[in-house]
Amino acid sequence: GAGVSQSPSNKVTEKGKDVELRCDPISGHTALYWYRQSLGQGLEFLIYFQGNSAPDKSGLPSDRFSAERTGGSVSTLTIQRTQQEDSAVYLCASSLRRGYQPQHFGDGTRLSIL
Amino acid sequence: SQQGEEDPQALSIQEGENATMNCSYKTSINNLQWYRQNSGRGLVHLILIRSNEREKHSGRLRVTLDTSKKSSSLLITASRAADTASYFCATDGGGGADGLTFGKGTHLIIQP
Repeated sequence: GAGVSQSPSNKVTEKGKDVELRCDPISGHTALYWYRQSLGQGLEFLIYFQGNSAPDKSGLPSDRFSAERTGGSVSTLTIQRTQQEDSAVYLCASSLRRGYQPQHFGDGTRLSIL
Repeated sequence: SQQGEEDPQALSIQEGENATMNCSYKTSINNLQWYRQNSGRGLVHLILIRSNEREKHSGRLRVTLDTSKKSSSLLITASRAADTASYFCATDGGGGADGLTFGKGTHLIIQP
């Protein structure tokens, strides 16, 4: 597609449920990034993929968060046993390759935990 | 953690006036970028300035970078109602991280 696509655009779920967020990057972009935007913390970098590999997972907030990327394209961010503090907008971005700027962002998934 | 700090946090001006936003950062950088975010949308890249550049222009945008003070400014000239949005500075290269480090943003309101 022409831009980064994220789904769903909105997700409301009960505390304790698992959620899966999807990101489809710009075709040909090998680098993919996940960020979280919340009122209290602003924009935080979570994890980065070069191809299917995520060299550093230390930015993930807890071990309930995981991410994968397959085929060098679509990525999913999974949050297990959701907590209310997980409520935020999750943004995905892609760039041509590692270290190449700018990053192109999707419109995000607004996650609300009841 | 937030490296960049923008000021002001909020700015309201009349259409046609110029808007200036400032950003400070803490670590060394490869480049600094400014992004715009409209309500409920993702971030749109506006302009990138490299660490060896001091000033850059793009249309009605002018960005300056002072690496000795670890600060940058974004000037929007002849503002329009459509410029109403939040503006964020973002840095990379700090600490060798692969992700961008964003400031808290300036919310700009252009009064028609």
